[in-house]
Amino acid sequence: GEDVEQSLFLSVREGDSSVINCTYTDSSSTYLYWYKQEPGAGLQLLTYIFSNMDMKQDQRLTVLLNKKDKHLSLRIADTQTGDSAIYFCAERAYGQNFVFGPGTRLSVLP
Amino acid sequence: DAGVIQSPRHEVTEMGQEVTLRCKPISGHNSLFWYRQTMMRGLELLIYFNNNVPIDDSGMPEDRFSAKMPNASFSTLKIQPSEPRDSAVYFCASSPDLSTDTQYFGPGTRLTVL
Repeated sequence: GEDVEQSLFLSVREGDSSVINCTYTDSSSTYLYWYKQEPGAGLQLLTYIFSNMDMKQDQRLTVLLNKKDKHLSLRIADTQTGDSAIYFCAERAYGQNFVFGPGTRLSVLP
Repeated sequence: DAGVIQSPRHEVTEMGQEVTLRCKPISGHNSLFWYRQTMMRGLELLIYFNNNVPIDDSGMPEDRFSAKMPNASFSTLKIQPSEPRDSAVYFCASSPDLSTDTQYFGPGTRLTVL
């Protein structure tokens, strides 16, 4: 079955860049997503990328997709304390269910 | 739009009691999803509906769990009888339809079964 993997923890200093990595197994994935979950809150869609794209940039966020290696990354430039949260990678093939990774807990140190 | 609305936000109950979680999807969205999140198992899809019809309930853990969607603006997830291992955060999400690329999550219901 489909599987999405992420490292569970990442710590960075405020002002540095954060890079959160994700690997997936379903080669038919059509859409790949990054969600953010702040403490006590639901998942908030940050950005998504179609599988025929290599990169997508949205303000401080840059998503890179290596479809050959089935590797997705989320780069947060100038990381702030408000970026501390759990970041979920998710993939979805057309017409199929979302498959979520376990989430990466990002801690931003002052 | 108010987004996906869930109630209650927190529920504490005793083992054996019936628990009903409620969800109001975003107006106009045709697909609704119920997820469960725990530290051990992460985010699990329990069931999803399209146009009020259950499409896939293979993620429902056991017969104690049931979900309904009587109309386009309301869904319930019921656990009867509840057990301590059901303690989790339950999320509802909605999407314009199954082929659309995004889901919008509610704030979740934190369930504690004592």
